[in-house]
Amino acid sequence: QAQLQESGPGLVKPSETLSLTCTVSGGSMTDYYWSWIRQPPGKGLEWIGFIHSNGNTNYYPSLKGRVTISRDTSMNQFSLRMTSVSAADTAVYYCARHWKDAYGGLIYGFDIWGRGTTVTVSS
Amino acid sequence: AIRVTQSPSSLSASTGDRVTITCRASQDVVSYVAWYQQKPGKAPELLISGASTLQNGVPSRFSGRGSGTDFTLTITYLQSEDFGFYFCQQYSGFPPTFGQGTKLEIK
Repeated sequence: QAQLQESGPGLVKPSETLSLTCTVSGGSMTDYYWSWIRQPPGKGLEWIGFIHSNGNTNYYPSLKGRVTISRDTSMNQFSLRMTSVSAADTAVYYCARHWKDAYGGLIYGFDIWGRGTTVTVSS
Repeated sequence: AIRVTQSPSSLSASTGDRVTITCRASQDVVSYVAWYQQKPGKAPELLISGASTLQNGVPSRFSGRGSGTDFTLTITYLQSEDFGFYFCQQYSGFPPTFGQGTKLEIK
């Protein structure tokens, strides 16, 4: 069974860029969709965006323009880059794998998650 | 975006009890609801998809019901290992959205 592990700085300064990486072990990235999801303190989870192993992406509308998700399938990794961060971006960030439907289509449900990494935006 | 309202936000129950967590969507999501369990310091685990389909390895004391806008997760005969955080998610509309979660504590 695949496992996911998030990594990256735990502290980012306001207006700077947040960068996180998710490493996939025990499985391949091929033919799957992969997402970033976050949970601000005291709030519910918020989906950020996905990338397919073929490079296709889609993002939460209000974050479009600040967020980029990329992947390196040779390294079995995908990454999140979020620019111009503010305190509102303080959250636990999770990476997750979408489960597949019978036809390999996009399902916005997540069958494997990482443990999450805490990112604090503060000067 | 579809709003998902989950209740209660916290719950304390004894082993052997039956507990029910509810999620209500702001519009029809058919049966496109998933339930997850998360324990402290661990990755969330998918329990149920399609509102009622139990994932492999999930104990049969967990069950999900509902369609349209109202959904429930029920744990019958609660075990001590069932403590944790539970949250629902709709994946009918874009973007996918989540309930606020329920913290289940064992008395």
